[in-house]
Amino acid sequence: DVKVTQSSRYLVKRTGEKVFLECVQDMDHENMFWYRQDPGLGLRLIYFSYDVKMKEKGDIPEGYSVSREKKERFSLILESASTNQTSMYLCASSFSLLQGASTDTQYFGPGTRLTVL
Amino acid sequence: AQSVTQLGSHVSVSEGALVLLRCNYSSSVPPYLFWYVQYPNQGLQLLLKYTSAATLVKGINGFEAEFKKSETSFHLTKPSAHMSDAAEYFCAVSNTGTASKLTFGTGTRLQVTL
Repeated sequence: DVKVTQSSRYLVKRTGEKVFLECVQDMDHENMFWYRQDPGLGLRLIYFSYDVKMKEKGDIPEGYSVSREKKERFSLILESASTNQTSMYLCASSFSLLQGASTDTQYFGPGTRLTVL
Repeated sequence: AQSVTQLGSHVSVSEGALVLLRCNYSSSVPPYLFWYVQYPNQGLQLLLKYTSAATLVKGINGFEAEFKKSETSFHLTKPSAHMSDAAEYFCAVSNTGTASKLTFGTGTRLQVTL
């Protein structure tokens, strides 16, 4: 079974702090994704990575950055946390190397609920 | 760009009743469509996906969905709801860009009552 793990289930930080959210997958997947989930808005893509050291902005990248130094690990960084970044953060991974629309399944971690005070 | 719309943010059914969760898509190319489920305090897991092989797709836990091109719909159904089906359900469409990106709907929370 594919396993995607996230470093924390719950995290409380203060405004202005630098925050690291870590995600690790154990299936040698090429693609990794970071989403935030907010009530009534569904999942929105922040950043994704299709290879080591490769990244692309998603739909809502402002205020975030990412790092992928190793294939299995994808980190989301909040350079200076703000209260509007209080949310559930979900990491996912998928195998496909194909460009374009895909039938590839994304596998999700359990999520990190981040509160910024 | 591809998108999906889920009608009804909350749906409540009695145990044993039919479950119908609605999803309509917008796509300029033949779409690949997905239903994911999120149980409380968990991540998302795949229920089923449409890959153009068959218009009626069967998934886990007795769920199925039918792709109807004429109606641009991919509604999720289950003949008889169980208490354990209470969760949030997301419809998604695969994007035509890089790396199998998905665009998700806003979700429908299913409540099952006795």
